[in-house]
Amino acid sequence: DAGVIQSPRHEVTEMGQEVTLRCKPISGHDYLFWYRQTMMRGLELLIYFNNNVPIDDSGMPEDRFSAKMPNASFSTLKIQPSEPRDSAVYFCAIRGGNEQFFGPGTRLTVL
Amino acid sequence: RKEVEQDPGPFNVPEGATVAFNCTYSNSASQSFFWYRQDCRKEPKLLMSVYSSGNEDGRFTAQLNRASQYISLLIRDSKLSDSATYLCVVRRGSTLGRLYFGRGTQLTVWP
Repeated sequence: DAGVIQSPRHEVTEMGQEVTLRCKPISGHDYLFWYRQTMMRGLELLIYFNNNVPIDDSGMPEDRFSAKMPNASFSTLKIQPSEPRDSAVYFCAIRGGNEQFFGPGTRLTVL
Repeated sequence: RKEVEQDPGPFNVPEGATVAFNCTYSNSASQSFFWYRQDCRKEPKLLMSVYSSGNEDGRFTAQLNRASQYISLLIRDSKLSDSATYLCVVRRGSTLGRLYFGRGTQLTVWP
């Protein structure tokens, strides 16, 4: 188990508020991925980093979404301002060998 | 066309039954193939890789048909604990590439 910590585990906020989701791999990894999962669209890749550099952000829905990775052991995904359609489970994942290890996810509800 | 297509189910089978899931992928450059399992309200986890010659892991058998761009998963002697969503996953190019996830097939095994 590669170990990925995500916080918060649950977030309920009101439309228009800023939301920051955090991801902390227990040990540094070279690739980090942010996904969003909904019933309607399934699991979608939002953005991924290699050695802390964003490689592909084509999945980021719009300018309200931004992601950073200041070091190998920490990444954030920010939504500003949040909207009800952003309600989903957001997963962070890291590459380990030939597979990806997912964190437990953050369940976001925007009212 | 979606990168990976799966029958969403749901599949409802009794304990002891054999059940098969199918998946097709659209990009012939796909080189690595996997089945992930996702329990309710949990993160996806690797179930098994899929090799060209087919492979088996206990009650689970995975097959790949490159010519038809088709992947399958067979579960024999279903257990209650097999109830989950099964995600078909492909990777293009090198092992460093991103993963493409299907929407998943939901399985419920009943006593």
